[in-house]
Parts: sequence; C-alpha cells; structure tokens
Amino acid sequence: DAGVTQSPTHLIKTRGQQVTLRCSPKSGHDTVSWYQQALGQGPQFIFQYYEEEERQRGNFPDRFSGHQFPNYSSELNVNALLLGDSALYLCASSSRLGGGYEQYFGPGTRLTVT
Amino acid sequence: AQSVTQLDSHVSVSEGTPVLLRCNYSSSYSPSLFWYVQHPNKGLQLLLKYTSAATLVKGINGFEAEFKKSETSFHLTKPSAHMSDAAEYFCVVRNTGKLIFGQGTTLQVKP
Repeated sequence: DAGVTQSPTHLIKTRGQQVTLRCSPKSGHDTVSWYQQALGQGPQFIFQYYEEEERQRGNFPDRFSGHQFPNYSSELNVNALLLGDSALYLCASSSRLGGGYEQYFGPGTRLTVT
Repeated sequence: AQSVTQLDSHVSVSEGTPVLLRCNYSSSYSPSLFWYVQHPNKGLQLLLKYTSAATLVKGINGFEAEFKKSETSFHLTKPSAHMSDAAEYFCVVRNTGKLIFGQGTTLQVKP
C-alpha cells in the first residue's frame, strides 16, 4: 500500500517564477492538506482540499493556490516566488469517512528560491 | 483559538534513560491532540493521538502521552531512549480539520 507521495523531491527556482508541486494521497484517502515548513519551524497549514474544492485556508496570500483532481491527487501552485517561500512543502492526506483525525504526511518537496 | 506550546526547544538524554517532552495546549473545548516525529530529511510520522477516549495514550516505538485537562498538558514520554529516537518532535492540535503545530523539540540521544 503506497503512502503519500510527492514530486519533485527538490526544486530550485528564481524569484518571480512560478512553481507547481504535486501530491498523491494514500490509497483510500479523499482529503489533501498542504503545509509549509520553514527551516527550524513547525509546519504551517496552507489549505485543504476535498471533493475538488478548497475547504479551508490558512494565512497565506493568494499567490498560493491549489487544485484537486477527480482521483484525489492535488497540486500546489505558487506564483511570483519570493525568497521567503523557500521551505519544505508537505502534503498530508486523510479520509473524511474516518473523521479525518489522522493525517498521513508525504516526504515533502524542498523548494529553494534564489 | 487553539494552540500548543512546546516547553523545551532542545532535550538531551543518554541512551537507556527516560524521555520527557513537554507540551501545553490551549483550547476552548476538548481537543484532539497528536505527537508527530520528524527524522532528518524525512516526512512526519504520527506517533500517537488523543481524541477524548482514554487519557493515557500509547503510541508506536514505546512512546506514550497522558492528557491532563487540569494542567492543559499532553507530555510525551518513553521509559528508555534509543539512539534511533533522535529526531524532531512536534506536539499538534487539530482545529476543524487543520493541524496546528508547536515549534518542535529536538531530542538528542547520547551514547
């Protein structure tokens, strides 16, 4: 049973560019959440998707957007990259049927903005 | 608003000695609390969860945590540390589906 997978593992971008990160949830999960983890900090919630719609959003600007596909996989898009966007981006999946209490995390995508 | 505070940014123990990682929570109602572990360059792994059932929660790898409402605490313990326990530990509270993380505690295990 594959867990949560994310791609790519590492990414280097230049300020002002745009980036797309991808996530496939654990088998049987229908909800995907994205988190940003800056160096030395705890992860911060960006947003959550289920039924292909954004259901909750954290305190992140509109430059951060996402999408969920019919197969429950998800993308995180960040436009007009800033140096401060450099972080580990984590995807977590859960099942609404189970109450969504347990979120399973992928290994993350390390984004470096230069 | 719900939040968690990890009281120690860094804890150092010797292998074979007990581990105590401290966490206080703030919540206006009965919270769902978790401990996650993150090994270097790895994702987050769920150690254990509290969802208003038994107050003493047992997790993986010998870890357990006790929910104390009177003290608003959810401390993580392990009787005997192993070298492989060295990692970053996060206390987490669930708020309407999203997870709110503490700042983390780095556990160092000395031989």
